[in-house]
Formats: sequence, structure tokens, C-alpha cells
Amino acid sequence: AQSVTQLGSHVSVSEGALVLLRCNYSSSVPPYLFWYVQYPNQGLQLLLKYTTGATLVKGINGFEAEFKKSETSFHLTKPSAHMSDAAEYFCAVKAGRRALTFGSGTRLQVQP
Amino acid sequence: DTGVSQDPRHKITKRGQNVTFRCDPISEHNRLYWYRQTLGQGPEFLTYFQNEAQLEKSRLLSDRFSAERPKGSFSTLEIQRTEQGDSAMYLCASSQEGGSEAFFGQGTRLTVV
Repeated sequence: AQSVTQLGSHVSVSEGALVLLRCNYSSSVPPYLFWYVQYPNQGLQLLLKYTTGATLVKGINGFEAEFKKSETSFHLTKPSAHMSDAAEYFCAVKAGRRALTFGSGTRLQVQP
Repeated sequence: DTGVSQDPRHKITKRGQNVTFRCDPISEHNRLYWYRQTLGQGPEFLTYFQNEAQLEKSRLLSDRFSAERPKGSFSTLEIQRTEQGDSAMYLCASSQEGGSEAFFGQGTRLTVV
């Protein structure tokens, strides 16, 4: 079985501030973990992924995430928020041959 | 454009009508997935294909829903006797066998009135 919990359905930060979006997962086998971003009325775009190897992964648009097995977490961070980062962010887990399972999403607002 | 393509982008239908959506995956991808997303929620898995074989179906996929991928290329998702609760964004994604990430299309937004 696999599942994802995203803590905080809405996060608001000021432009230039640190972005932290939280994700915890559950998986019965070693997981692959993903963050996707979705803009209004659009599909999902991959930000970054963890499969194996280095636990700190860097993605597009300055985002990064760290896989912490002991905490079953994969939190997404960005040092300095930009107005264009305002969107919905989804954490997802994939275990074995299963399809992706998504969290319920976190809406990021960036205040000027 | 070599991305995942979905058609139509928007569909408005009356309750009780049948609708069919099409998805064209990235050409070298042999896995194809359908998801449903309602407002304020994450995508929910419906079904997936490897080539033409439908390997997994979610319990969300009632008997009014049917998906096909007859030649292992494009796929169709049909909803019969639509209900207002079927209103959602239907997302298609594809991936390579053994690949990790899935690539998503823009989605088809269905509104049942």
C-alpha cells in the first residue's frame, strides 16, 4: 500500500521568503517520490523526483527536496519565493509497478 | 509537440449522456494512465495500461466507465449515463516501462449539467 499526506492545504509566503511545503509518505517497499506543480486549468508538470542515490534532489525553478527515510518525509523547499511560484503543488509516491498516488495538494500563495 | 495530448479540452454534457475522451501518449511510452481530479483535490488513479493490456483498475472506476487502448497507442475513456458527480478534470499520463516519472496531458474538463 502507498499513501501521501501533505500538511497544509494552503501556504502563504512573502516574495523573497523561504518556501516550505510538507509531504509525508507511506509505502511498503522503497518508494520513488515526486513533486508536481499545477497551474490553473493545466496538467501537472514534474518539478523533481527521488528514485535512488543522493537524498537531496534539485529540480526546476530553484526547488529542491530532501528524502528522509527515518521521517518518511519528502519536503519541498525554495530559498526565495517568486510571484510566478504561486500554484498548486502535489507530492506523489510510486512503489513497485503501482501507478502514482498523489497527496491532496498545497496551494502556494506569494504575497508581494 | 511530442507531449501527451488530450481531446477535447472541455466538454459540457447533459446528465444521462455518454461521453468519450481521447488521449495520445508520448510516442515511445508504453504505459498510459488515467486520473480524475476534482476541485481542490489531488489526482485520483482510475486505471492504467501497459501497451494494450489494462493492468490495474481503481475501485473508483464504476461499471459506467470503460477505458481502451486497442493498439497500444492512443487510449479512450468513455463514461456512460453521466451523472453530476462525474464533473471533474480527467487527466491522462504516460511513461516508459521501467521509467519513474509520468508525463501528464493538459486534461479534459467535464461538466455535467
